[in-house]
Amino acid sequence: LAKTTQPISMDSYEGQEVNITCSHNNIATNDYITWYQQFPSQGPRFIIQGYKTKVTNEVASLFIPADRKSSTLSLPRVSLSDTAVYYCLVGDNTGFQKLVFGTGTRLLVSP
Amino acid sequence: KAGVTQTPRYLIKTRGQQVTLSCSPISGHRSVSWYQQTPGQGLQFLFEYFSETQRNKGNFPGRFSGRQFSNSRSEMNVSTLELGDSALYLCASSLAGFKNEQYFGPGTRLTVT
Repeated sequence: LAKTTQPISMDSYEGQEVNITCSHNNIATNDYITWYQQFPSQGPRFIIQGYKTKVTNEVASLFIPADRKSSTLSLPRVSLSDTAVYYCLVGDNTGFQKLVFGTGTRLLVSP
Repeated sequence: KAGVTQTPRYLIKTRGQQVTLSCSPISGHRSVSWYQQTPGQGLQFLFEYFSETQRNKGNFPGRFSGRQFSNSRSEMNVSTLELGDSALYLCASSLAGFKNEQYFGPGTRLTVT
């Protein structure tokens, strides 16, 4: 089965850049890597999606190496409101799951 | 534009009963997906419906089923509830499909006693 691994938690301070890495060894060949943010008592919210190299939008950047077995979400200059759980999501080419969520990284931003 | 809505928000059921959860997608979205979220297993994909057809299915037993109506609204049914079915059930809608940008609802918190 595909396995997607992220650090359980990370701490940061306001204004710093945060990089969260997701390992996904069995990503499906044609599938994209997607990152979501989730606050307590809410559904996940889309952050960014990419296939390879680098993608940037107004809130984050996504770095994907050539082998696509990992990806790194980069949040520039985090604020207190970025305290949340971050999930990577990939397609699965090994079996039944079709979509596999990462284990989630709990980011705590302090003043 | 209204977001994804799910009803009910909270539900308490007894083992052996069945339950039906409802999801109304964003207007114009034809893809609706369902997910189960638990502290132990995290977020797991249940199934995706697109234009009233189940297009993709995760690795859950047949007790979990769903359907989608012509207006794209979707329902998920769980029969013969088990204690382990206690979870937050999330619905998400998308224009192009579950592997593209999805918009999640707030979820239905199901407690099985």
